[in-house]
Amino acid sequence: GAGVSQSPSNKVTEKGKDVELRCDPISGHTALYWYRQRLGQGLEFLIYFQGNSAPDKSGLPSDRFSAERTGESVSTLTIQRTQQEDSAVYLCASSGDYSAYEQYFGPGTRLTVT
Amino acid sequence: SQQGEEDPQALSIQEGENATMNCSYKTSINNLQWYRQNSGRGLVHLILIRSNEREKHSGRLRVTLDTSKKSSSLLITASRAADTASYFCATDARGDKIIFGKGTRLHILP
Repeated sequence: GAGVSQSPSNKVTEKGKDVELRCDPISGHTALYWYRQRLGQGLEFLIYFQGNSAPDKSGLPSDRFSAERTGESVSTLTIQRTQQEDSAVYLCASSGDYSAYEQYFGPGTRLTVT
Repeated sequence: SQQGEEDPQALSIQEGENATMNCSYKTSINNLQWYRQNSGRGLVHLILIRSNEREKHSGRLRVTLDTSKKSSSLLITASRAADTASYFCATDARGDKIIFGKGTRLHILP
């Protein structure tokens, strides 16, 4: 079946503009994660959705970052008033449960803020 | 704070040799997973080991878990050029969300 998809694959934006990144998880997966990965660095947890529970937003770096998920489907990560330090690859992953199952990653969105 | 930390940060070995990477974590876990990342994009799951398991094998991969030391190791035997990648451990703090370490960059020399 289809894996996790993300769009766009690349996004170049000017400093100060808002961007919206999309993640389509694997159908039926209840858990969805967003991560940020700067060049040559590890994965930085941003936000976690699990079913209908309130999302865990503890990793969002500032109030410029927000994310939504509609039920157990599509999620969007929005970055307002982008800054150059927001440049990174944004990875989305979904899984059948929060920790007992492997995560399936999308290919990521490479965001460049100029 | 970071749940898992890999060691070493970078490792270069000759093709055919074995590669060992370590992961240490801070709090009790239910599961520990290892992932591989090629070319800075999506990660691929390699293996999951539960807290009541001590060792697990998958092909050329061997993972150990020592919950008393809060550490895990990933051994890749008979390394190949295609094993060049970054390897990450991921842990859940007692069933909470999964947190990734910073990774070990493995380079297999021809």
